[in-house]
Amino acid sequence: DQQVKQNSPSLSVQEGRISILNCDYTNSMFDYFLWYKKYPAEGPTFLISISSIKDKNEDGRFTVFLNKSAKHLSLHIVPSQPGDSAVYFCAARTSGAGSYQLTFGKGTKLSVIP
Amino acid sequence: DVKVTQSSRYLVKRTGEKVFLECVQDMDHENMFWYRQDPGLGLRLIYFSYDVKMKEKGDIPEGYSVSREKKERFSLILESASTNQTSMYLCASRDSLYEQYFGPGTRLTVT
Repeated sequence: DQQVKQNSPSLSVQEGRISILNCDYTNSMFDYFLWYKKYPAEGPTFLISISSIKDKNEDGRFTVFLNKSAKHLSLHIVPSQPGDSAVYFCAARTSGAGSYQLTFGKGTKLSVIP
Repeated sequence: DVKVTQSSRYLVKRTGEKVFLECVQDMDHENMFWYRQDPGLGLRLIYFSYDVKMKEKGDIPEGYSVSREKKERFSLILESASTNQTSMYLCASRDSLYEQYFGPGTRLTVT
């Protein structure tokens, strides 16, 4: 059973416009969420995160929104740049003793068209 | 800067061979992880280790084993490689917070 879902395998956006990547989760015990970015032939790199006590976190062009009641989060990239073209993974974890794992979604491939 | 290194970027092995993938981190992290990434399947956790000589199975441990003799090094072992183990293998380490830091990955092809 997939606990973290990224329902759009791919997304194409024009340069300068907003990219919105979505992520849904089913486990109500998740309380921390992360977004990773991955270029081909490289490891994922951490992008931005949000704790469940917040509904928004912003870092430059990247903003993550969390809607706990809907179990939904989204990553907004404004403005989108060609260098943003990559696969984006949403990840989630619970807190507490023994919580070592991140649960990842399957990823969304973003293509930013110049 | 956190650095996670993996012994090979590309590896080609034959079916039935024993394969060792090495991962080293330089930040004294206690937790280390091995994932594989396949198209359409995302990142799937194979094994993780929360301390030296400690290991836990992840979601897909079958066909794999691990070794953590030193804090900085976490090895993934394919006892008898099979073609369905052709994949991108990613190692990660984690500090006391939630973020995991990934290595560059090893693209393993089993023929």
